[in-house]
Amino acid sequence: GAGVSQSPSNKVTEKGKDVELRCDPISGHTALYWYRQSLGQGLEFLIYFQGNSAPDKSGLPSDRFSAERTGGSVSTLTIQRTQQEDSAVYLCASSTSTGVLIQYFGAGTRLSVL
Amino acid sequence: AQKVTQAQTEISVVEKEDVTLDCVYETRDTTYYLFWYKQPPSGELVFLIRRNSFDEQNEISGRYSWNFQKSTSSFNFTITASQVVDSAVYFCALKRAGANSKLTFGKGITLSVRP
Repeated sequence: GAGVSQSPSNKVTEKGKDVELRCDPISGHTALYWYRQSLGQGLEFLIYFQGNSAPDKSGLPSDRFSAERTGGSVSTLTIQRTQQEDSAVYLCASSTSTGVLIQYFGAGTRLSVL
Repeated sequence: AQKVTQAQTEISVVEKEDVTLDCVYETRDTTYYLFWYKQPPSGELVFLIRRNSFDEQNEISGRYSWNFQKSTSSFNFTITASQVVDSAVYFCALKRAGANSKLTFGKGITLSVRP
């Protein structure tokens, strides 16, 4: 597609439920990033995928968070047993792996945990 | 450790005023990249500019200009003759060289341009 696509745009869930957030990167981009934007913490890095390499999970806040990237394209971020503090906007970005290395962002998924 | 400080949190100006958004960064790397992104009310982060650490030339793009000074670790952004459409949150970010690196963002500056 023309840009990074994220779905759903909004997600409301109850505390304790699992949620899945989807990211479809720009075609041809081999690097994919997840960030979280919350009022108190600003924009925080969560996880990074590059081709077939092991992902950089250093930003995941707890073991309730996981992500996968199938076929080197679409990525899913899963949050298990959601807590109210997980409420935030989850942003996905993609970039090439050589050259200019600009990360292009999707519009995000706004997650609200009640 | 990498750090980006945007000391201004909110700025309000009247249309046609010039406004400068400050960004100060910390890094021990000699090679790195600096970015500015704009986040309008729609929420999507829009890339504005990238600057590498070896290029200290100032850049101008229309009403936008950027001043990069390694001596003061600053990468400031000026909007000339501001317009209402410039109202947004502006983020400065730092990235280590190499493909496998995240963006480290500042807290962002909320710019409101009043008609």
